Amino acid sequence: QKEVEQDPGPLSVPEGAIVSLNCTYSNSAFQYFMWYRQYSRKGPELLMYTYSSGNKEDGRFTAQVDKSSKYISLFIRDSQPSDSATYLCAMRARNTGNQFYFGTGTSLTVIP
Amino acid sequence: DADVTQTPRNRITKTGKRIMLECSQTKGHDRMYWYRQDPGLGLRLIYYSFDVKDINKGEISDGYSVSRQAQAKFSLSLESAIPNQTALYFCATMGPTGELFFGEGSRLTVL
Repeated sequence: QKEVEQDPGPLSVPEGAIVSLNCTYSNSAFQYFMWYRQYSRKGPELLMYTYSSGNKEDGRFTAQVDKSSKYISLFIRDSQPSDSATYLCAMRARNTGNQFYFGTGTSLTVIP
Repeated sequence: DADVTQTPRNRITKTGKRIMLECSQTKGHDRMYWYRQDPGLGLRLIYYSFDVKDINKGEISDGYSVSRQAQAKFSLSLESAIPNQTALYFCATMGPTGELFFGEGSRLTVL
């Protein structure tokens, strides 16, 4: 079993839709959770960074962490064509600076 | 200018050639990483360094070597490139609160 599972999609939505992207994980020691956006032929760009459980909101983006279910989500409100990209989740445990675990990414297309 | 800069951005080479990918950063971070990204496999750690005198192997270090020339510079070498090293390579730094910042990537093709 992989440490982090992420549905690769592809996911296609109309402009203005609410998008939900998800990852599940198996290691209960994970405490730091990240979402990255990666455009084609570009490097991953950090979108959201959360510690432990709860929600974090930044503009149209909301990150949720449910540690009891080992499940994290990224919601995108009022999706735009410019949101079309691959979204990667990443996580790590405390005091393990080298051990980041990544999902394989979900490809999202927002149709105008 | 990008905070994490990788050169070259694209490189095509032949089997058996020595290749160096370079990374420099202006973020002032001590911790630097090299990852490769393959379709369906995600990001896999090749090497990481916590400071100039500290080099550590990641999960897929065979066939690769690194050099940390300064706090800001971390280079990845393929001593004798082979076709299955064709991939997208990323350098990253770790911020003080534990998040990773990536460069734009170096696309390597080994023929």
